[in-house]
Amino acid sequence: EPEVTQTPSHQVTQMGQEVILRCVPISNHLYFYWYRQILGQKVEFLVSFYNNEISEKSEIFDDQFSVERPDGSNFTLKIRSTKLEDSAMYFCASRVRGGENYGYTFGSGTRLTVV
Amino acid sequence: GNSVTQMEGPVTLSEEAFLTINCTYTATGYPSLFWYVQYPGEGLQLLLKATKADDKGSNKGFEATYRKETTSFHLEKGSVQVSDSAVYFCALTANSGNTPLVFGKGTRLSVIA
Repeated sequence: EPEVTQTPSHQVTQMGQEVILRCVPISNHLYFYWYRQILGQKVEFLVSFYNNEISEKSEIFDDQFSVERPDGSNFTLKIRSTKLEDSAMYFCASRVRGGENYGYTFGSGTRLTVV
Repeated sequence: GNSVTQMEGPVTLSEEAFLTINCTYTATGYPSLFWYVQYPGEGLQLLLKATKADDKGSNKGFEATYRKETTSFHLEKGSVQVSDSAVYFCALTANSGNTPLVFGKGTRLSVIA
């Protein structure tokens, strides 16, 4: 079964450093998402991406965050200057066009720890 | 806006007990409804879904029925197993354009032998 692949599975970074979280969505999917889950809390929407541009973003997704699909395969989330409160599990998801009824396919997540 | 409210956890049950996890929603239009499961240390997996009123989603012995009149999508299983221990998330998508999936806070289930 096709999978969404995320790397790395765990990243530790120092406060103020830049991090890039990587995702390879399912190949025929056209909509891409990033969500985060602070330990023990709800899964929160960050950003959605379609046709090479952001289609929606939450208030969490401030100027420190950016997304890119640099090569038609990878989908990346960059945090420019990490803060302690950015420590969370970050999930990438994708879906097909018109696939709202079918749910999203999520990756296994990247656990980001900011120290 | 769209939102999902789930019963607070944690829920602790003995093996073979009956499970209900309540979920209610607020949405404009006719959302699709989902249950996702997160096993310890893993990502989110789609457990079941329903796309219109009175639809019943089912998978691995779990069921949930889309009730428009009560705006609910309660998750049930007749006989839980230790391997069902996980966090369960109710979610919806509003079926309009690229509206993102909205999650409830999750309910942690622990099943003891």
